[in-house]
Amino acid sequence: DTGVSQDPRHKITKRGQNVTFRCDPISEHNRLYWYRQTLGQGPEFLTYFQNEAQLEKSRLLSDRFSAERPKGSFSTLEIQRTEQGDSAMYLCASSFNPGAGNTIYFGEGSWLTVV
Amino acid sequence: GDSVTQMEGPVTLSEEAFLTINCTYTATGYPSLFWYVQYPGEGLQLLLKATKADDKGSNKGFEATYRKETTSFHLEKGSVQVSDSAVYFCALSFRGRGGATNKLIFGTGTLLAVQP
Repeated sequence: DTGVSQDPRHKITKRGQNVTFRCDPISEHNRLYWYRQTLGQGPEFLTYFQNEAQLEKSRLLSDRFSAERPKGSFSTLEIQRTEQGDSAMYLCASSFNPGAGNTIYFGEGSWLTVV
Repeated sequence: GDSVTQMEGPVTLSEEAFLTINCTYTATGYPSLFWYVQYPGEGLQLLLKATKADDKGSNKGFEATYRKETTSFHLEKGSVQVSDSAVYFCALSFRGRGGATNKLIFGTGTLLAVQP
């Protein structure tokens, strides 16, 4: 078990460019979550999937953000026309439902800097 | 809405000192409560949790008790070490569909710095 894996770990992009992050959850975990964390703040929920179904989206997820989990395994989070306010760490997490305790496991995050 | 409030940091302690990090919550219903820890350059790790009132979560010498009457989940450790230096996040969640833990709502985090 290799844990939740995120790629890339760091991304610097120019304002207006599109970026995509990938998350590979722990194998057999059917729930996958995306969070955003800015400096000095706690993670904020963006969206989550049960298998390939996107069950909830936060109001933080503007039209420029889209997340997919096409085969119920890995997920991508795309940000179109990036803005400086998008600079943050994007965290992916996974869990197994139903499972003992339903613990949510986090990846190490993908840092985005928009210049 | 549901929210978590933590004491602001940084909290600076000497090694072997007693630690308390306060956490209170506002929620409709009865959430599960968690403490996560984030070491420098790493992701979040679950430290401990409690799923109902009066439950005590414990791990690595850390403890927290779910107090419904005071809506609190304070983190404590009797003797901190330099290696405990990290950011600590209190969080809550509700059970969603199928009984699984739904989204987590985090506090802003408390930086703990332990000096030798």
